[in-house]
Amino acid sequence: DSGVTQTPKHLITATGQRVTLRCSPRSGDLSVYWYQQSLDQGLQFLIQYYNGEERAKGNILERFSAQQFPDLHSELNLSSLELGDSALYFCASSPLAAPYNEQFFGPGTRLTVL
Amino acid sequence: GENVEQHPSTLSVQEGDSAVIKCTYSDSASNYFPWYKQELGKRPQLIIDIRSNVGEKKDQRIAVTLNKTAKHFSLHITETQPEDSAVYFCADCFGNEKLTFGTGTRLTIIP
Repeated sequence: DSGVTQTPKHLITATGQRVTLRCSPRSGDLSVYWYQQSLDQGLQFLIQYYNGEERAKGNILERFSAQQFPDLHSELNLSSLELGDSALYFCASSPLAAPYNEQFFGPGTRLTVL
Repeated sequence: GENVEQHPSTLSVQEGDSAVIKCTYSDSASNYFPWYKQELGKRPQLIIDIRSNVGEKKDQRIAVTLNKTAKHFSLHITETQPEDSAVYFCADCFGNEKLTFGTGTRLTIIP
């Protein structure tokens, strides 16, 4: 157990819908990262927040957005869902801002878009 | 950096033999190279990492080597055991921005 929690574990929804994924980092960690893992694909970096502020952006679609709240938990919002958005979404946390430190991954949220 | 190539995509080795996975990166300014292990249905976990100021790092049966001139780094697992079966991801970090992951290697240890 990494200490990072994600809810829900599974999510099944329809195309065009909007969903929110939630992540609670390890106690004391200020950075939260979001990744997308599609079937047979690596981990695609989406976005990073550090202490409430957006710090780095990857290949995140305009239909996706995220935020980090004062209690440091983070939410990833996915809207106008398409079939291709079906994937495993991981969040990870680390104590520092820089990505060249160990990132602790949560268990992931499996999103299925029908 | 923007591009990390990882080979092979699948690898099967006999228990007790060694396994080697290689990654190539494109940005010469990349300075941090971690390896993550993801067991089936589990989360990725860091197993070893190396920074650009060293050429090799070892941790028991696992080692990583870095060749900055050729821009590649490799994971070496010796005396492989069944619990080493997993998908392994390399990554690099360019500047201070983000990790770029390779597409993964599915390692199967044959008992």
